[in-house]
Amino acid sequence: KAGVTQTPRYLIKTRGQQVTLSCSPISGHRSVSWYQQTPGQGLQFLFEYFSETQRNKGNFPGRFSGRQFSNSRSEMNVSTLELGDSALYLCASSALGGIQETQYFGPGTRLLVL
Amino acid sequence: AQSVTQLGSHVSVSEGALVLLRCNYSSSVPPYLFWYVQYPNQGLQLLLKYTTGATLVKGINGFEAEFKKSETSFHLTKPSAHMSDAAEYFCAVSDRETSGSRLTFGEGTQLTVNP
Repeated sequence: KAGVTQTPRYLIKTRGQQVTLSCSPISGHRSVSWYQQTPGQGLQFLFEYFSETQRNKGNFPGRFSGRQFSNSRSEMNVSTLELGDSALYLCASSALGGIQETQYFGPGTRLLVL
Repeated sequence: AQSVTQLGSHVSVSEGALVLLRCNYSSSVPPYLFWYVQYPNQGLQLLLKYTTGATLVKGINGFEAEFKKSETSFHLTKPSAHMSDAAEYFCAVSDRETSGSRLTFGEGTQLTVNP
């Protein structure tokens, strides 16, 4: 099976712009989670989608949003970008999003905000 | 809220030496526990996980970890380090009392393997 894919892999934006990142989960997986990785804050949970519904949300401002489509592909959007949003954004998928399940991570999208 | 502490942000070992990466969690209810590895410019790959059953868990690439409830620990070990083990390692937990997938990660430990 193909792994989790994320597009684009690299992105450069300027402050105030918005950005949309895409994640395609492993075929058959219905749960998609997003994480932000920065040197200062480490890996932090953004949100999880299951069957097109947000099931869990981390402690991030409303500028961070996401959605999931009927084919389980997911997008996350960041509006009004700030310098501190520069990070590696990782997407992970699992079959049902169970807390015991292994999450399979994509390679990430590296976002640089100037 | 769950939290995970990894002692030592950087660990350096010689090739062939024992690898020991420490992880402690804070939770009144033992969580599910995971170790992930991240190679440069890549995502995270699961090494092993503990959910229920045997407290000594064997993973990929010769790694293993032991869940010790009394010490709230889940340390990762490998008897003999290989150069290819150089990477960043993350301990993570998921809360048994929540629904859906949500991992809380430790700060990570960068492992260096010296020839």
